[in-house]
Amino acid sequence: ETGVTQTPRHLVMGMTNKKSLKCEQHLGHNAMYWYKQSAKKPLELMFVYNFKEQTENNSVPSRFSPECPNSSHLFLHLHTLQPEDSALYLCASSQDREIETQYFGPGTRLLVL
Amino acid sequence: GENVEQHPSTLSVQEGDSAVIKCTYSDSASNYFPWYKQELGKRPQLIIDIRSNVGEKKDQRIAVTLNKTAKHFSLHITETQPEDSAVYFCAAPTGGTSYGKLTFGQGTILTVHP
Repeated sequence: ETGVTQTPRHLVMGMTNKKSLKCEQHLGHNAMYWYKQSAKKPLELMFVYNFKEQTENNSVPSRFSPECPNSSHLFLHLHTLQPEDSALYLCASSQDREIETQYFGPGTRLLVL
Repeated sequence: GENVEQHPSTLSVQEGDSAVIKCTYSDSASNYFPWYKQELGKRPQLIIDIRSNVGEKKDQRIAVTLNKTAKHFSLHITETQPEDSAVYFCAAPTGGTSYGKLTFGQGTILTVHP
């Protein structure tokens, strides 16, 4: 349960705010992922990082800006979000991009007012 | 890209009954199929996965079967218990072969009534 941690667990922000979500993995993995989970929609992959390099941007709006300073940490910087961006944001990690078992963090529940 | 369809969207069973959830995928090159369980307010957790070199895999009360010809795979839960109540997601790799990008199904809400 503590292999992948995320902070904060809950976040309320206005559309003009800037905030950041943090993910940390303690599993020695090399690949990290950001997912968006909205009600009644499947998990949507946003970004993939492998060995700190971004390998996937799944057509995500530029108001979401990821950062991966090292293989253990992943950030998602948020600015000028819209109410429809309210969702659960999940971080995941895997050994590397080629090994598919992904381990998820508990998520950050984001509400944009 | 991969397209994953999951059915049913909701499933209600009595304790002790079996539950089956089915997923179809579109990319014939896909070779890894995980199933995740997400309890209310918690993170998705891998419960079982299967690779394309086998047709079935079992772990106690759960099993996954794979039909590569028909491009579908199913999750089977036997002797269901109330604690099995959760949302279950299937997934398949986008890009066909072993690649970290997964496409998830829409999810199945399983309710096990005591």
